[in-house]
Amino acid sequence: NAGVMQNPRHLVRRRGQEARLRCSPMKGHSHVYWYRQLPEEGLKFMVYLQKENIIDESGMPKERFSAEFPKEGPSILRIQQVVRGDSAAYFCASSPARNTEAFFGQGTRLTVV
Amino acid sequence: KNEVEQSPQNLTAQEGEFITINCSYSVGISALHWLQQHPGGGIVSLFMLSSGKKKHGRLIATINIQEKHSSLHITASHPRDSAVYICAVNREGYGGATNKLIFGTGTLLAVQP
Repeated sequence: NAGVMQNPRHLVRRRGQEARLRCSPMKGHSHVYWYRQLPEEGLKFMVYLQKENIIDESGMPKERFSAEFPKEGPSILRIQQVVRGDSAAYFCASSPARNTEAFFGQGTRLTVV
Repeated sequence: KNEVEQSPQNLTAQEGEFITINCSYSVGISALHWLQQHPGGGIVSLFMLSSGKKKHGRLIATINIQEKHSSLHITASHPRDSAVYICAVNREGYGGATNKLIFGTGTLLAVQP
């Protein structure tokens, strides 16, 4: 049973480009969470999704950021028109149910140049 | 004031020492997590607990719900324990608790040989 898989591990984008970050949850897990870790800051919740539904996106910036978790395939965090301030580590976690232990992926480190 | 506070922020220990990292929180919670993050690495869930005490190998986690306080102990510390240790909580009563975690800022532990 593979763990939570995130790809790519490292992503470099120029200002104005789009970044797409992927997260494949553990087998049997239908709850996915995205967190962001800005340089020199702690982790912050971004969004909570179940299959085909966004449950809580209260931590998502209002513009340029979106997330989805389709019926088939991985969860995607999409950042349009990236800016330098988007440079961060983005972590995904999954759990089998709403309030059970979540397992984290290795993260995607986004660098905007 | 952060809803989850950790102390100390930085900790240097000699190999073999007993280590304690503390976490205090100011919100109602349904569970508390201790996480480990190596520099540039992913996040590993060490413990999820809602009461009492848990032990795994050389690691022990305790929680006092009345005092809103948790501790992570490492016995017989080793250089490979060097990492950032992060406390996080599931907030209670937020439409039912979820893994919308609130994180502490982490404790950077360095164990010297």
